[in-house]
Amino acid sequence: QQQVKQSPQSLIVQKGGIPIINCAYENTAFDYFPWYQQFPGKGPALLIAIRPDVSEKKEGRFTISFNKSAKQFSLHIMDSQPGDSATYFCAAVSQGNTPLVFGKGTRLSVIA
Amino acid sequence: GAVVSQHPSWVICKSGTSVKIECRSLDFQATTMFWYRQFPKQSLMLMATSNEGSKATYEQGVEKDKFLINHASLTLSTLTVTSAHPEDSSFYICSARKSYEQYFGPGTRLTVT
Repeated sequence: QQQVKQSPQSLIVQKGGIPIINCAYENTAFDYFPWYQQFPGKGPALLIAIRPDVSEKKEGRFTISFNKSAKQFSLHIMDSQPGDSATYFCAAVSQGNTPLVFGKGTRLSVIA
Repeated sequence: GAVVSQHPSWVICKSGTSVKIECRSLDFQATTMFWYRQFPKQSLMLMATSNEGSKATYEQGVEKDKFLINHASLTLSTLTVTSAHPEDSSFYICSARKSYEQYFGPGTRLTVT
C-alpha cells in the first residue's frame, strides 16, 4: 500500500513557468511533510517542509500548499529555471524515529 | 541546513569481496540514521533504520547478514556489504535525522564486477 501518492510522474515546463507537483497521503498520523530535490548521481537535498498547522509556506521561489482536510499537499516552483530540472520527491513522517515515507518522484524538465 | 557526508563516493569491487561505506553527520548529532538503496529512475528504498548504540532495524526483504550496519556513535554509521555480488550494484544513500528534518548524504555508487 503506497502511503504517499505523487503526481505527475514527469513534467516539462518552459522557463519562467510554474510547475506544480501534487502529493496525497492516507495516514492521518503524519505531521511533517518535506520536499526533496535530487540531481542525477547525488543524494536528495531538503528543499522545504511544512507542518499541518499551516496552509502555505514559501521559501524563495518554492511554495508548499497544504490541505489538511483533503490530505493533499503540493509544491509550486515560481519562475522556473533550467537549473531546477531535477527529480522532486514529496515525503511524510510522523513523530518518533519512524522513517520518511516517500512519493515515487516527479522528473521535472525546464526548457529554455 | 545540516551536512551529511559519505565515503567513498564510488567504489568498484570484485564479486565475493566486502565493501564498507561510511556515513557521518558533520555538524550535528544524529540519534537515528537511515540507509537507502536507489535504482535508476526510482524512488529511495529504505533498507534499515539505525539507532546509536543498538542493533539496526531492517526492512522486510533486506538480508541483515549481508548488509551489516553499525551505528557506533552519534555522528557515524557504517554499512558493510558482505560477499558482494553484481546484483548488489546500486546507489546507496545514508540519511541522518536532526529533530524532524532528515538530511541525506551524497550517495555511494557501488559497482560489483
